[in-house]
Amino acid sequence: DAMVIQNPRYQVTQFGKPVTLSCSQTLNHNVMYWYQQKSSQAPKLLFHYYDKDFNNEADTPDNFQSRRPNTSFCFLDIRSPGLGDAAMYLCATSFDPTSGSTDTQYFGPGTRLTVL
Amino acid sequence: RKEVEQDPGPFNVPEGATVAFNCTYSNSASQSFFWYRQDCRKEPKLLMSVYSSGNEDGRFTAQLNRASQYISLLIRDSKLSDSATYLCAVIGVDYKLSFGAGTTVTVRA
Repeated sequence: DAMVIQNPRYQVTQFGKPVTLSCSQTLNHNVMYWYQQKSSQAPKLLFHYYDKDFNNEADTPDNFQSRRPNTSFCFLDIRSPGLGDAAMYLCATSFDPTSGSTDTQYFGPGTRLTVL
Repeated sequence: RKEVEQDPGPFNVPEGATVAFNCTYSNSASQSFFWYRQDCRKEPKLLMSVYSSGNEDGRFTAQLNRASQYISLLIRDSKLSDSATYLCAVIGVDYKLSFGAGTTVTVRA
């Protein structure tokens, strides 16, 4: 089945130790998103890619970076995780909403990050 | 003011009851509206898109009121499996999806 896959599902890292989360999709969507969701809060958009065009949210800390080497894969790099970065990280994909196509976003299962 | 606001609940209802809740959005130019369901420690899953004319999917009915800038979700004949957090999501003119913090529904036997 076409889907959005995230690895790992659970990640434990130490304070300050870089970590990379991955997302892949078989939906052939050209837009990929990374969200951060903390307990009992709304998912918060960190950044997104329209194809290879990177769009950073103004309030996303510099500690968070992203790479999209091809259409199917997208990575979230946290350069120096702090205790406040412990959260669920959600990857989502959609068609280009500006193109008139459906703008529905589909989410991967998430990676739950614990920072010790 | 938050872009999307929801009553966090929880709404505790018995099986078979009807439960309804709203979500308000601040930007009158918002274009698309959705309800997602999120189970504990899982990802949001699309429940339904919300159309101007309102739409129904089995026991679930969604309505959009553009004049008052809210969307609603009604669940009829509640099942235990309906227990979850329901996230309202809105796409604005910037094509970005903004979520509410969710409304928790607990259906009891």
